[in-house]
Amino acid sequence: LAKTTQPISMDSYEGQEVNITCSHNNIATNDYITWYQQFPSQGPRFIIQGYKTKVTNEVASLFIPADRKSSTLSLPRVSLSDTAVYYCLVGDPFYNQGGKLIFGQGTELSVKP
Amino acid sequence: NAGVTQTPKFRVLKTGQSMTLLCAQDMNHEYMYWYRQDPGMGLRLIHYSVGEGTTAKGEVPDGYNVSRLKKQNFLLGLESAAPSQTSVYFCASTPSGGTDTQYFGPGTRLTVL
Repeated sequence: LAKTTQPISMDSYEGQEVNITCSHNNIATNDYITWYQQFPSQGPRFIIQGYKTKVTNEVASLFIPADRKSSTLSLPRVSLSDTAVYYCLVGDPFYNQGGKLIFGQGTELSVKP
Repeated sequence: NAGVTQTPKFRVLKTGQSMTLLCAQDMNHEYMYWYRQDPGMGLRLIHYSVGEGTTAKGEVPDGYNVSRLKKQNFLLGLESAAPSQTSVYFCASTPSGGTDTQYFGPGTRLTVL
Protein backbone atom coordinates (compact mmCIF):
# COMPACT_ATOMS: atom_id res chain seq x y z
CA LEU A 1 0.00 0.00 0.00
CA ALA A 2 1.43 3.36 -1.04
CA LYS A 3 2.53 5.76 1.68
CA THR A 4 0.91 9.18 1.71
CA THR A 5 2.14 12.52 3.05
CA GLN A 6 -0.16 15.43 3.80
CA PRO A 7 0.09 18.57 5.96
CA ILE A 8 -0.69 18.00 9.61
CA SER A 9 -2.86 21.10 9.90
CA MET A 10 -4.37 23.96 7.92
CA ASP A 11 -6.32 27.07 8.83
CA SER A 12 -8.92 28.82 6.73
CA TYR A 13 -11.78 31.29 6.97
CA GLU A 14 -15.41 30.87 6.13
CA GLY A 15 -16.20 31.33 2.45
CA GLN A 16 -12.70 30.54 1.24
CA GLU A 17 -11.70 27.68 -1.00
CA VAL A 18 -9.43 25.15 0.71
CA ASN A 19 -6.99 22.93 -1.12
CA ILE A 20 -5.34 20.03 0.70
CA THR A 21 -2.53 18.32 -1.17
CA CYS A 22 -1.46 14.73 -0.62
CA SER A 23 1.81 13.30 -1.86
CA HIS A 24 1.95 9.62 -2.90
CA ASN A 25 5.15 9.12 -4.88
CA ASN A 26 4.94 5.32 -4.83
CA ILE A 27 1.41 5.03 -6.16
CA ALA A 28 0.88 1.85 -8.18
CA THR A 29 -0.85 1.53 -11.52
CA ASN A 30 -4.01 -0.01 -10.06
CA ASP A 31 -4.24 2.31 -7.06
CA TYR A 32 -7.09 4.72 -6.54
CA ILE A 33 -6.98 7.86 -4.38
CA THR A 34 -9.65 8.23 -1.73
CA TRP A 35 -10.39 10.96 0.78
CA TYR A 36 -12.23 10.60 4.07
CA GLN A 37 -13.50 13.27 6.48
CA GLN A 38 -13.69 12.80 10.24
CA PHE A 39 -15.53 15.11 12.61
CA PRO A 40 -14.67 15.06 16.33
CA SER A 41 -16.18 12.09 18.15
CA GLN A 42 -17.39 10.50 14.92
CA GLY A 43 -16.17 7.82 12.55
CA PRO A 44 -14.61 8.78 9.21
CA ARG A 45 -16.90 9.46 6.28
CA PHE A 46 -16.10 8.84 2.61
CA ILE A 47 -15.85 12.07 0.62
CA ILE A 48 -14.51 11.35 -2.84
CA GLN A 49 -12.46 8.91 -4.87
CA GLY A 50 -10.59 9.22 -8.15
CA TYR A 51 -8.05 7.59 -10.42
CA LYS A 52 -6.87 10.41 -12.69
CA THR A 53 -7.67 13.95 -13.89
CA LYS A 54 -10.60 15.50 -12.04
CA VAL A 55 -13.55 14.18 -10.08
CA THR A 56 -16.29 16.36 -8.66
CA ASN A 57 -19.26 15.63 -6.45
CA GLU A 58 -21.61 17.66 -4.30
CA VAL A 59 -19.07 17.92 -1.50
CA ALA A 60 -15.64 18.37 -3.07
CA SER A 61 -13.39 18.12 -6.11
CA LEU A 62 -10.35 15.93 -6.50
CA PHE A 63 -7.55 16.94 -8.84
CA ILE A 64 -5.00 14.34 -9.92
CA PRO A 65 -2.12 15.30 -12.23
CA ALA A 66 -0.98 13.06 -15.05
CA ASP A 67 1.88 11.48 -13.09
CA ARG A 68 -0.54 10.71 -10.19
CA LYS A 69 2.22 11.26 -7.62
CA SER A 70 0.06 13.74 -5.77
CA SER A 71 -3.57 14.76 -5.49
CA THR A 72 -5.45 17.79 -4.24
CA LEU A 73 -8.74 17.80 -2.40
CA SER A 74 -10.58 21.05 -3.02
CA LEU A 75 -13.38 22.23 -0.73
CA PRO A 76 -15.26 25.21 -2.19
CA ARG A 77 -16.45 27.99 0.10
CA VAL A 78 -15.83 26.27 3.42
CA SER A 79 -18.00 26.86 6.46
CA LEU A 80 -17.39 26.30 10.16
CA SER A 81 -18.95 22.86 9.80
CA ASP A 82 -16.11 21.79 7.52
CA THR A 83 -13.74 21.82 10.48
CA ALA A 84 -12.54 18.23 10.57
CA VAL A 85 -9.62 15.91 9.90
CA TYR A 86 -9.18 14.91 6.26
CA TYR A 87 -7.44 11.66 5.35
CA CYS A 88 -5.87 10.79 2.01
CA LEU A 89 -5.64 7.08 1.24
CA VAL A 90 -4.12 5.27 -1.71
CA GLY A 91 -4.84 1.67 -2.58
CA ASP A 92 -6.22 -0.82 -5.02
CA PRO A 93 -9.86 -1.39 -4.11
CA PHE A 94 -10.17 -4.30 -6.48
CA TYR A 95 -7.25 -6.31 -5.17
CA ASN A 96 -8.43 -9.00 -2.84
CA GLN A 97 -6.62 -7.95 0.30
CA GLY A 98 -9.69 -7.64 2.46
CA GLY A 99 -10.35 -4.08 1.41
CA LYS A 100 -7.90 -2.88 4.01
CA LEU A 101 -7.35 0.85 4.30
CA ILE A 102 -4.26 2.55 5.71
CA PHE A 103 -5.04 5.83 7.46
CA GLY A 104 -2.19 8.26 8.04
CA GLN A 105 -2.31 11.16 10.50
CA GLY A 106 -4.55 13.21 8.25
CA THR A 107 -4.85 16.98 7.89
CA GLU A 108 -6.65 18.85 10.64
CA LEU A 109 -8.56 21.67 8.98
CA SER A 110 -9.71 24.52 11.17
CA VAL A 111 -12.22 26.95 9.67
CA LYS A 112 -12.54 30.28 11.44
CA PRO A 113 -15.34 32.83 11.21
CA ASN B 1 -31.74 1.64 8.04
CA ALA B 2 -29.45 2.34 10.99
CA GLY B 3 -26.17 1.72 9.12
CA VAL B 4 -23.36 0.69 11.45
CA THR B 5 -24.03 0.74 15.18
CA GLN B 6 -21.67 0.09 18.08
CA THR B 7 -22.36 -1.00 21.64
CA PRO B 8 -21.46 0.37 24.15
CA LYS B 9 -20.62 4.02 23.46
CA PHE B 10 -18.43 4.39 26.55
CA ARG B 11 -16.81 1.96 28.95
CA VAL B 12 -14.31 2.11 31.80
CA LEU B 13 -12.44 -1.07 32.73
CA LYS B 14 -9.88 -2.00 35.32
CA THR B 15 -6.65 -3.64 34.23
CA GLY B 16 -7.20 -7.36 33.74
CA GLN B 17 -10.95 -7.18 33.16
CA SER B 18 -12.50 -8.50 29.99
CA MET B 19 -15.18 -7.12 27.73
CA THR B 20 -16.73 -7.45 24.30
CA LEU B 21 -17.56 -4.66 21.90
CA LEU B 22 -20.42 -5.28 19.51
CA CYS B 23 -20.66 -3.95 15.98
CA ALA B 24 -23.83 -4.43 13.97
CA GLN B 25 -24.67 -3.43 10.39
CA ASP B 26 -27.97 -3.71 8.57
CA MET B 27 -26.67 -3.13 5.03
CA ASN B 28 -25.92 -6.78 4.25
CA HIS B 29 -22.24 -5.94 3.86
CA GLU B 30 -19.75 -8.76 3.46
CA TYR B 31 -16.65 -7.09 4.91
CA MET B 32 -16.32 -5.72 8.43
CA TYR B 33 -13.43 -4.08 10.26
CA TRP B 34 -12.30 -3.03 13.71
CA TYR B 35 -9.99 -0.01 14.08
CA ARG B 36 -8.54 1.83 17.03
CA GLN B 37 -7.72 5.52 17.07
CA ASP B 38 -5.36 7.10 19.56
CA PRO B 39 -4.90 10.86 20.13
CA GLY B 40 -3.15 12.58 17.23
CA MET B 41 -3.04 9.43 15.16
CA GLY B 42 -4.97 7.99 12.30
CA LEU B 43 -6.92 4.78 12.51
CA ARG B 44 -5.11 1.48 12.81
CA LEU B 45 -6.69 -1.77 11.72
CA ILE B 46 -7.01 -4.40 14.45
CA HIS B 47 -8.88 -7.27 12.79
CA TYR B 48 -11.18 -7.66 9.85
CA SER B 49 -13.57 -10.15 8.31
CA VAL B 50 -14.31 -10.86 4.65
CA GLY B 51 -17.44 -12.84 5.38
CA GLU B 52 -19.48 -14.72 7.95
CA GLY B 53 -17.32 -17.18 9.86
CA THR B 54 -14.02 -15.63 8.72
CA THR B 55 -11.57 -13.34 10.49
CA ALA B 56 -8.08 -12.05 9.79
CA LYS B 57 -5.43 -10.02 11.58
CA GLY B 58 -4.81 -6.39 10.79
CA GLU B 59 -1.99 -4.08 11.73
CA VAL B 60 -2.31 -4.22 15.55
CA PRO B 61 -4.08 -7.49 16.52
CA ASP B 62 -2.26 -8.35 19.76
CA GLY B 63 -4.47 -8.42 22.85
CA TYR B 64 -7.70 -8.64 20.86
CA ASN B 65 -9.87 -11.43 19.52
CA VAL B 66 -12.80 -11.25 17.13
CA SER B 67 -15.69 -13.36 15.96
CA ARG B 68 -18.12 -13.13 13.03
CA LEU B 69 -20.75 -15.77 13.75
CA LYS B 70 -23.46 -13.82 11.98
CA LYS B 71 -23.01 -11.72 8.84
CA GLN B 72 -24.44 -8.62 10.45
CA ASN B 73 -22.36 -8.73 13.65
CA PHE B 74 -18.64 -8.39 14.32
CA LEU B 75 -17.49 -8.75 17.92
CA LEU B 76 -14.22 -7.45 19.34
CA GLY B 77 -13.04 -9.01 22.59
CA LEU B 78 -10.45 -7.94 25.12
CA GLU B 79 -9.59 -10.91 27.33
CA SER B 80 -7.38 -9.05 29.80
CA ALA B 81 -7.54 -5.31 29.34
CA ALA B 82 -4.38 -3.20 29.66
CA PRO B 83 -3.98 0.59 29.95
CA SER B 84 -2.37 0.57 26.48
CA GLN B 85 -5.76 -0.44 25.10
CA THR B 86 -7.31 2.84 26.16
CA SER B 87 -8.53 4.19 22.86
CA VAL B 88 -11.52 4.95 20.67
CA TYR B 89 -12.65 1.92 18.73
CA PHE B 90 -14.38 2.20 15.39
CA CYS B 91 -16.16 -0.48 13.45
CA ALA B 92 -16.69 -0.25 9.70
CA SER B 93 -18.25 -2.28 6.93
CA THR B 94 -18.18 -2.37 3.17
CA PRO B 95 -20.13 -4.36 0.56
CA SER B 96 -17.00 -6.18 -0.57
CA GLY B 97 -13.28 -5.73 -0.89
CA GLY B 98 -13.71 -4.14 -4.27
CA THR B 99 -14.37 -0.68 -2.92
CA ASP B 100 -12.69 1.86 -0.67
CA THR B 101 -16.00 3.20 0.58
CA GLN B 102 -16.18 1.99 4.14
CA TYR B 103 -19.09 2.93 6.39
CA PHE B 104 -18.08 3.68 9.94
CA GLY B 105 -19.90 3.41 13.23
CA PRO B 106 -19.96 6.20 15.85
CA GLY B 107 -17.16 4.70 17.94
CA THR B 108 -16.69 3.28 21.44
CA ARG B 109 -14.55 5.21 23.90
CA LEU B 110 -12.75 2.73 26.17
CA THR B 111 -10.67 3.67 29.18
CA VAL B 112 -8.59 1.08 31.00
CA LEU B 113 -7.42 2.13 34.45
